[in-house]
Amino acid sequence: DAGVTQSPTHLIKTRGQQVTLRCSPKSGHDTVSWYQQALGQGPQFIFQYYEEEERQRGNFPDRFSGHQFPNYSSELNVNALLLGDSALYLCASSAALEVEQYFGPGTRLTVT
Amino acid sequence: GESVGLHLPTLSVQEGDNSIINCAYSNSASDYFIWYKQESGKGPQFIIDIRSNMDKRQGQRVTVLLNKTVKHLSLQIAATQPGDSAVYFCAESGGYQKVTFGTGTKLQVIP
Repeated sequence: DAGVTQSPTHLIKTRGQQVTLRCSPKSGHDTVSWYQQALGQGPQFIFQYYEEEERQRGNFPDRFSGHQFPNYSSELNVNALLLGDSALYLCASSAALEVEQYFGPGTRLTVT
Repeated sequence: GESVGLHLPTLSVQEGDNSIINCAYSNSASDYFIWYKQESGKGPQFIIDIRSNMDKRQGQRVTVLLNKTVKHLSLQIAATQPGDSAVYFCAESGGYQKVTFGTGTKLQVIP
């Protein structure tokens, strides 16, 4: 079992650009959540996908969008990047009706 | 707004001693609490959880205590080992698995 995988590991972008991050959930999991973790802070919930739909959303602007595919993998898209978007982006997967989430290693995004 | 926070940002403990990490939460409607461990360069790792209808739960070398009266959560690690060095987060989960994290406590184990 590969667990939760994320790609890429690191990414450097310029202000104003757009970025797509990818996540494959743990085998058997159908729910994917995305978190942003700034340096020295706890992860902040961005949104959650279940059955290919956004089920919950945190306090993030519309520049942050996502998608879930039929195989349960997910993408996080961020448009019009700001310097403040620099962070570790974490994906977590879980099974429906289960609270325990499994986190991936994250994608480190740097915006210059 | 609702938040989950920690009292101490850094905790240094001698190897073999017990560690206690504390956390305060503000959402009285929270019904599920989790402790995560995050090592450098890795995502958070589930340690132990507790539901609001419980006040204590034990795992392997770890115990979580919940005091709903004062909205306080603690994680006790017995016989702390160097491998326990990490940042520990308490978190709260309401419906649909959304998890709200606190800011974290860094545990440093002194050999």
